Amino acid sequence: GAGVSQSPSNKVTEKGKDVELRCDPISGHTALYWYRQSLGQGLEFLIYFQGNSAPDKSGLPSDRFSAERTGGSVSTLTIQRTQQEDSAVYLCASSLVSQGYEQYFGPGTRLTVT
Amino acid sequence: GIQVEQSPPDLILQEGANSTLRCNFSDSVNNLQWFHQNPWGQLINLFYIPSGTKQNGRLSATTVATERYSLLYISSSQTTDSGVYFCAVGGNQFYFGTGTSLTVIP
Repeated sequence: GAGVSQSPSNKVTEKGKDVELRCDPISGHTALYWYRQSLGQGLEFLIYFQGNSAPDKSGLPSDRFSAERTGGSVSTLTIQRTQQEDSAVYLCASSLVSQGYEQYFGPGTRLTVT
Repeated sequence: GIQVEQSPPDLILQEGANSTLRCNFSDSVNNLQWFHQNPWGQLINLFYIPSGTKQNGRLSATTVATERYSLLYISSSQTTDSGVYFCAVGGNQFYFGTGTSLTVIP
């Protein structure tokens, strides 16, 4: 079946502009995660959605970052007033919690802020 | 949050050699995964292994949850095994180690 998809695959934006990144999880997966990976680094947790529960936003680095998940499926990560330090690969993962929290990752969106 | 340490940070192997990668974590966890990040950046699931031992072809993994570590074994390494190997642990939220960068030379 289809895996996790993300769009766009690459995004170049000017400092100060807003960007939206999209994640389509595996159909039926109840949990959705956003991470970011800076060059040569590990993954940094950003936010976690599980079903209809309130999201765990504890990893969002500033109030410029927000995310929503509509209808328990597609998620959008929004970064307002982008800064150069926001440049990274943004990765989305989903899992079917009833079978444990095994995560499946999408290919990521490479964001470059100039 | 949970601290995750992976060792070694870098590893160079001759094709055909075996290796062991280690993941230590600082607290009890309900979930543990091993991933391979290929040169194109895609994270590929290797094992979901909160405890016990699993094998998949040339790869196997063991997690000793009571002692807070997991091991990933790669046997008869191939050049396609090159990339970064990550361990991720947690409950709802996963914490990633900084990875082991593996280079397999022919």
